[in-house]
Amino acid sequence: DGGITQSPKYLFRKEGQNVTLSCEQNLNHDAMYWYRQDPGQGLRLIYYSQIVNDFQKGDIAEGYSVSREKKESFPLTVTSAQKNPTAFYLCASSPGQGPYEQYFGPGTRLTVT
Amino acid sequence: KQEVTQIPAALSVPEGENLVLNCSFTDSAIYNLQWFRQDPGKGLTSLLLIQSSQREQTSGRLNASLDKSSGRSTLYIAASQPGDSATYLCAGSIDYKLSFGAGTTVTVRA
Repeated sequence: DGGITQSPKYLFRKEGQNVTLSCEQNLNHDAMYWYRQDPGQGLRLIYYSQIVNDFQKGDIAEGYSVSREKKESFPLTVTSAQKNPTAFYLCASSPGQGPYEQYFGPGTRLTVT
Repeated sequence: KQEVTQIPAALSVPEGENLVLNCSFTDSAIYNLQWFRQDPGKGLTSLLLIQSSQREQTSGRLNASLDKSSGRSTLYIAASQPGDSATYLCAGSIDYKLSFGAGTTVTVRA
């Protein structure tokens, strides 16, 4: 089955620790995205990548970092510099550059205490 | 920057009633408009994608329209069922990025 996987589903961390969220896709898509969702708000774009070894900041990149070493993988690191990291994180992919349909993974709920 | 608004934030209807969900956006230079469904604690499921050159898309009981000149899209769900209860989000695409509304949470009462 083709799709996007995110792991883990739930993640708990202490304040001050960095944490990495996994996102893998087997759809052969070039573009991948990370969004953050907070209660009562729409999704906000953190980072996106149109091609391997290249990525751009979205609207709320501060306190986050990404890498794109493989086409299938786009991990997101939430650093200790992120002031309010507790949120639901969603990864998405699309076939390539342009107005393509985006497909989403199941999400990771991160709780930092 | 594209701003997307969905009103109302929540809606409750009896089973069988048709649903009308509204989405408005500020930038008419939109590439496409995508409607999603989200169940509690889950990811997003794409329902319909309307390209900027299209006026509507249909899939089963779902129909979505797009009016770029007025900055509006509407999702119609015919003959609602309890299984349609979820949050529905719309997102407008400018360049490669989607701008999302906050969603409308729908409850269909049996």
